[in-house]
Amino acid sequence: TQLLEQSPQFLSIQEGENLTVYCNSSSVFSSLQWYRQEPGEGPVLLVTVVTGGEVKKLKRLTFQFGDARKDSSLHITAAQPGDTGLYLCAGAYTNAGKSTFGDGTTLTVKP
Amino acid sequence: DVKVTQSSRYLVKRTGEKVFLECVQDMDHENMFWYRQDPGLGLRLIYFSYDVKMKEKGDIPEGYSVSREKKERFSLILESASTNQTSMYLCASSRRVTGELFFGEGSRLTVL
Repeated sequence: TQLLEQSPQFLSIQEGENLTVYCNSSSVFSSLQWYRQEPGEGPVLLVTVVTGGEVKKLKRLTFQFGDARKDSSLHITAAQPGDTGLYLCAGAYTNAGKSTFGDGTTLTVKP
Repeated sequence: DVKVTQSSRYLVKRTGEKVFLECVQDMDHENMFWYRQDPGLGLRLIYFSYDVKMKEKGDIPEGYSVSREKKERFSLILESASTNQTSMYLCASSRRVTGELFFGEGSRLTVL
C-alpha cells in the first residue's frame, strides 16, 4: 500500500518557469520532510514541516504542509538547471523510527 | 559538518559471494537505516536499528542481515549475493524524535 503519492512523477521545464510538486496521503503525519537527490548521490534533506498550514521558504523553494497534516507541496519559482534532481517527500511519526517515502518527482530544468 | 559515510561507493561481486556494506555516522543518532533504491521502485527499507544491538525488519529484509555493535556503525550483510540484489544501497541516520534522515552517498552494488 502506497501511503504517500507524489505528482507529477516526471517534470521537464525551461529555465525560469515555475512549478509545483505535490505529496498526498490519507494518513496524518507528525512531520513531513522534503529531500533532493542528484544522480549517483544520496538524498539531501531540504526542509521539515511540522505544523498544519505551515509554510517554509528556502530561497526560491516554498514548502507548505496541509492543514490536516496529510499533504504537502513544493513550489519552485524561476527554476534553474541546478534545481534538476529527484525530489522526495517522506512522512514521519514522532518516536516511531521509520519514515514513509513517496516515489519521487524527477525534475529536469533545461537551460 | 554532520556526516554519514558509506564504506564503498562502487562494488562488483559475483553470485554467491558474501558482501559487507558498512556505514558510520558522526552525529550520535539513535536510529540507523539501510535502504535500497531501484528505478521505478523508489526507496525501500531493508532494516533499521533504533539502538545498539537492536534491529527491526523493514519492507524487504529477505536475503539481508544487519549488525549494530556500536552506536555509530551499522553494517548490511548479503550472505550470498544474487543478481537481483544489484542496486543502489543507501544508509541513513536520524534522531529518534525528528524523523529527519541524513543519508550517505550510497553504495552501488553490481552482482554478476
